[in-house]
Amino acid sequence: DIQMTQSPSTLSASVGDRVTITCRASQSIKSWLAWYQQKPGKGPKILIYKASSLESGVPSRFSGSGSGTEFTLTISSLQPDDFATYSCQQYNSYPFTFGRGTKLEIK
Amino acid sequence: EVQLVETGGGLIQPGGSLRLSCAASGFNVNSKYMNWVRQAPGKGLEWVSVIHSDGSTYYADSVKGRFTISRDNSKNTLYLQMNSLRAEDTAVYYCARQLTNSGWFDYWGQGTLVTVSS
Repeated sequence: DIQMTQSPSTLSASVGDRVTITCRASQSIKSWLAWYQQKPGKGPKILIYKASSLESGVPSRFSGSGSGTEFTLTISSLQPDDFATYSCQQYNSYPFTFGRGTKLEIK
Repeated sequence: EVQLVETGGGLIQPGGSLRLSCAASGFNVNSKYMNWVRQAPGKGLEWVSVIHSDGSTYYADSVKGRFTISRDNSKNTLYLQMNSLRAEDTAVYYCARQLTNSGWFDYWGQGTLVTVSS
């Protein structure tokens, strides 16, 4: 199985900050990576697919980059609604696997 | 509008069985790939199973032989039959839609909690 390692596990930041979350795959997954946002008591919401493609309706302050084994999710200017948990997912091969998540907290 | 609503979770003893349902609206479950993904308390998301539009099914090794995914097209509902439940199956179970020939999940339900405990 492909292991997805996400860092950091927790991130404290303020409104207006630029933040970056990293996801590393245990082997190359080309660009077959998605990012999700999850809030307490809700199912995840897709933000980015194919490593850098923005899902329709997602604000442009979210961006993704990377290929192969190293990927990043960047939020250019944090808004109050962005404080949540973010997870990456590889879909290069079954079983699809996820990172353990990054909890973005208000500083 | 696409909606997924899971039901059927609850408290069950080890070795017991439970069937989860996911009622879909806004699209036909037999036209997309439909998945179950779970999240144990304090842990990350774990993919469990998928049923493709052609009816083929796949499972995570951790549930293979114990869980069965299926769908009822007339009810537009996805199911997960869970047998021989273990404490490590305790989790919130989500159903998630996957576009055909893609790999990401574009819609998720709100989840249903399964607790396996004596």
